[in-house]
Amino acid sequence: GAVVSQHPSWVICKSGTSVKIECRSLDFQATTMFWYRQFPKQSLMLMATSNEGSKATYEQGVEKDKFLINHASLTLSTLTVTSAHPEDSSFYICSASAIRGGTEAFFGQGTRLTVV
Amino acid sequence: GQQVMQIPQYQHVQEGEDFTTYCNSSTTLSNIQWYKQRPGGHPVFLIQLVKSGEVKKQKRLTFQFGEAKKNSSLHITATQTTDVGTYFCAGSGTYKYIFGTGTRLKVLA
Repeated sequence: GAVVSQHPSWVICKSGTSVKIECRSLDFQATTMFWYRQFPKQSLMLMATSNEGSKATYEQGVEKDKFLINHASLTLSTLTVTSAHPEDSSFYICSASAIRGGTEAFFGQGTRLTVV
Repeated sequence: GQQVMQIPQYQHVQEGEDFTTYCNSSTTLSNIQWYKQRPGGHPVFLIQLVKSGEVKKQKRLTFQFGEAKKNSSLHITATQTTDVGTYFCAGSGTYKYIFGTGTRLKVLA
């Protein structure tokens, strides 16, 4: 299947700092990218959907000013956790789809964020 | 909003036994996907079902989409230790996929 690379795989940051997570589709053009958050032993919660060249659509309850999403090209989307707090510690994972809706999504390896 | 529930939450089986997880959506779905996530790993796509009543097989795995397109099931025949992991369904009503709560499978050798 297609390859989606997510970087970094893990990061530790201090409270109040910002962290950027990158999601790249390596061998296809991703018109749509999804960002999820997963707490230990829980399901994946969709945070936002981003389409290349347009603003991301955030799910209810997700602060768009805190979780900044940029989908500047067809192969790259970034999630920036701004002013991180310990409660933001989680596993963040992206997925990319070549076609808007209806096809399989390819997942990145995920980023484990720990805020201390 | 759309909710996708899975049962059971956990399942421990002896190697060789069968396993089934059920997925139920609060709304009608356009399609449903199934993923497997190994401990510490990321979800890996297994299959997509689109048609009402559709049944697909992958070796020991059988996937079914309900007639009303609101439920689905994954059945594993004669489980093996390599089947260990969490199985998620993900339902799509529009363009985004909402993941089910997941079923964690443990296979005892």
